[in-house]
Amino acid sequence: NAGVTQTPKFRVLKTGQSMTLLCAQDMNHEYMYWYRQDPGMGLRLIHYSVGEGTTAKGEVPDGYNVSRLKKQNFLLGLESAAPSQTSVYFCASNRWPQDTQYFGPGTRLTVL
Amino acid sequence: AQSVTQLGSHVSVSEGALVLLRCNYSSSVPPYLFWYVQYPNQGLQLLLKYTTGATLVKGINGFEAEFKKSETSFHLTKPSAHMSDAAEYFCAVSDRGGNKLVFGAGTILRVKS
Repeated sequence: NAGVTQTPKFRVLKTGQSMTLLCAQDMNHEYMYWYRQDPGMGLRLIHYSVGEGTTAKGEVPDGYNVSRLKKQNFLLGLESAAPSQTSVYFCASNRWPQDTQYFGPGTRLTVL
Repeated sequence: AQSVTQLGSHVSVSEGALVLLRCNYSSSVPPYLFWYVQYPNQGLQLLLKYTTGATLVKGINGFEAEFKKSETSFHLTKPSAHMSDAAEYFCAVSDRGGNKLVFGAGTILRVKS
């Protein structure tokens, strides 16, 4: 099993550009999450999904959209990137709410 | 709302010395508590977690943590530090009915030879 994978690993965008980050898991997990990690702030939840076709807002959802069209994939979109979205983005998944979350390796995004 | 405070953004210990990373939480309901470790340029890996039952929890790589409700703490310890323990450590809390983790700001552990 590959676990949780993220594509791409690195990306540089200009302000106003759009992009989509892909998260895939092969563990048949129901729940999936997107976090951003900024120095001195830990990880903050952006959006999450409790199953195929469902999404919900987390702590810092503004400027991001998500979709969960397939159970194994969770996409994070930036429609108009801003420098404040420069961060490392992590995807995670688990089987049920109290279960351990398994994390992907992260995507480092820089917005110029 | 839940929150986590990790005391000390950087901790430095000598190889073979005791490791103590502090975590205090705030929760209006009985919490689930977690410690994750992040090695450079990698994702987070679970070290240990407390859900119910025994308050002293043992994890991987010789780490353990004790849930102290009266002190709202979940400090992480390891009797003898190894060079390979150098990493960033995150404490996190979730409520028992929910699925959202709230993370602390992290503590970077440096191990000196």
